[in-house]
Amino acid sequence: GAVVSQHPSWVICKSGTSVKIECRSLDFQATTMFWYRQFPKQSLMLMATSNEGSKATYEQGVEKDKFLINHASLTLSTLTVTSAHPEDSSFYICSARGSYNEQFFGPGTRLTVL
Amino acid sequence: GDSVTQMEGPVTLSEEAFLTINCTYTATGYPSLFWYVQYPGEGLQLLLKATKADDKGSNKGFEATYRKETTSFHLEKGSVQVSDSAVYFCALSEFGSQAGTALIFGKGTTLSVSS
Repeated sequence: GAVVSQHPSWVICKSGTSVKIECRSLDFQATTMFWYRQFPKQSLMLMATSNEGSKATYEQGVEKDKFLINHASLTLSTLTVTSAHPEDSSFYICSARGSYNEQFFGPGTRLTVL
Repeated sequence: GDSVTQMEGPVTLSEEAFLTINCTYTATGYPSLFWYVQYPGEGLQLLLKATKADDKGSNKGFEATYRKETTSFHLEKGSVQVSDSAVYFCALSEFGSQAGTALIFGKGTTLSVSS
């Protein structure tokens, strides 16, 4: 089956620093990837839709200047949390859309901002 | 807007018990419906899907039928196992199966099965 990886799986950073999270589709090409945020014991909230070669589409309330998304190739999308603060601590999950519109999810990245 | 409502957990069952997790949705169009499962420490996995009314999705003994008249997509399994312990998410894809459409998730239901 289709595999999506994320790196790193867990990152701890100081307040004010920037963190980059990578999402890769390992055995298929994905023109569209999605970034979600999941709080403890809550569901996934869509942050943005990332299309290869074009600007990401952000959901209402998500700061595009804070959560920078780049989808430079058909197998890689990156999410950069700029000037991270403790309230940005969360579980960030990406997914990649397959050929039949199913979504394949990465294992998630846990971000802790001190 | 479109939304998904699923029963609050946790659901605690004994092995071989019957499982039902209710899911209802609100949509303006004709969405595709999904059940995803998240095992402890792992990412979300697609469990089953249905793309039109009266379709039945099935996988690993789990079933769900797309009921347009009741706007429901309840997940069922006749005999649960300890290995089924996980969090289950009901989701819909807006505007049916159009390319690039994101998923709207329910809040998730935690299932705990004991031997």
